[in-house]
Order: sequence, then C-alpha cells, then structure tokens
Amino acid sequence: SQQGEEDPQALSIQEGENATMNCSYKTSINNLQWYRQNSGRGLVHLILIRSNEREKHSGRLRVTLDTSKKSSSLLITASRAADTASYFCATDARQGAQKLVFGQGTRLTINP
Amino acid sequence: GAVVSQHPSRVICKSGTSVKIECRSLDFQATTMFWYRQFPKQSLMLMATSNEGSKATYEQGVEKDKFLINHASLTLSTLTVTSAHPEDSSFYICSASFRTGGYTEAFFGQGTRLTVV
Repeated sequence: SQQGEEDPQALSIQEGENATMNCSYKTSINNLQWYRQNSGRGLVHLILIRSNEREKHSGRLRVTLDTSKKSSSLLITASRAADTASYFCATDARQGAQKLVFGQGTRLTINP
Repeated sequence: GAVVSQHPSRVICKSGTSVKIECRSLDFQATTMFWYRQFPKQSLMLMATSNEGSKATYEQGVEKDKFLINHASLTLSTLTVTSAHPEDSSFYICSASFRTGGYTEAFFGQGTRLTVV
C-alpha cells in the first residue's frame, strides 16, 4: 500500500520561479528519496535524505525532512521548462524488506 | 548509476494471451527486484518483490496466478501477465535494488506500456 501523500497533486508555475512539493508518510523510515518521472518513462533518482538529516542540497534541489511531522519537502529553484515532470517521494521503511513505497506524486508543469 | 534494462518498452496483445516482460540489471547483481504498476497520472503501486531463487512476495490484492514472477538469476526477473484482459492495460515498471550504507538504492527500468485489446 502507498503510505506517502504528496501535495500539491499538480503545480504549474512560470519558468524561473521556485517550485515546492511536499510529502508526508506514516511509518518510521530509514530514509526518504525523491524521484522524477518524465511522462511514460522510468524513474530517475534525484536525492536521498537520511532519517537523521534535516536538509540536503544537490544543485538546484533542496530537500528537507521533519521526522517529527513525518514530512519532507522538495524545492526546485530557478525552474526550467525541462523540469516539467512528475515528482515522487519514496520511503525506505525501517522495518521489513528493502522495498520503496511511493507517494502519490506531484505533476509539475513549468511554463516558458 | 547502475543500469536496469526493461523489455519490451511497448506491447500490444489480444485478450486472453500472455505477455512476458523482462527486467535485467546490466552492471550489478540484484538479489531483489520489484515490480510496480502505474495507472495514468497515478503513483507506482508495488505489485511484488522478486527474490533470486525463491518465490516472489506479492502485495495484498495482487493475484499471483495472474502475474507470474520468475527471478532465475541475479540479473534477470520476468513478469508474465497471464490471460491478459483490457483492465490489465497499464504501465509496468521494474526496479533492481541493493542495500548499501543502511539504505536501499534502487534503479528503475524504463517501463513497459501494455495495451490489451
């Protein structure tokens, strides 16, 4: 079952603006990862944040994690048209198998 | 990152026939592979966990006789959709993963678009 909830479900912004997407989860986790999916394609790993980390940066990406609220956010700064895609968070549960459970995703559209 | 090859990328089949989808890890050995199903504009739903040399573990609500999974080697897992029906039309994605440094690193295939007519 999917344990992640993401909001917004869809986000449309102008090129150059920042895009923020949020993810909430339910169980204790080892880490949380963000993935990107272009329409009809596989997933590309963007960034991983461990449960003992609060913030992580990678290029134009900034991820935060609040384990007390069981939530994470992904910020894309200075967005580009090529950032148009769906973004998913995935959690690696502390207990059990090494499977990833995905959130519902945010469909991001960057308008030129 | 590691490469996972999924084949075919698209398949159209007639109702009642079976379709096999392959997932290969090209440059690493994957003891565990996962099969996901994705409906349009929705998230990935985990169908089953495929372990090399043993039976797959299916998620609740997934028919194991309908979706046959075989993981015969450390680099290949196959998903066979048996007696396919139009409602099986979907996007199927595999991933191969391994534990490293206390977290799961997963690499995804490019997906297979199945259309049952």
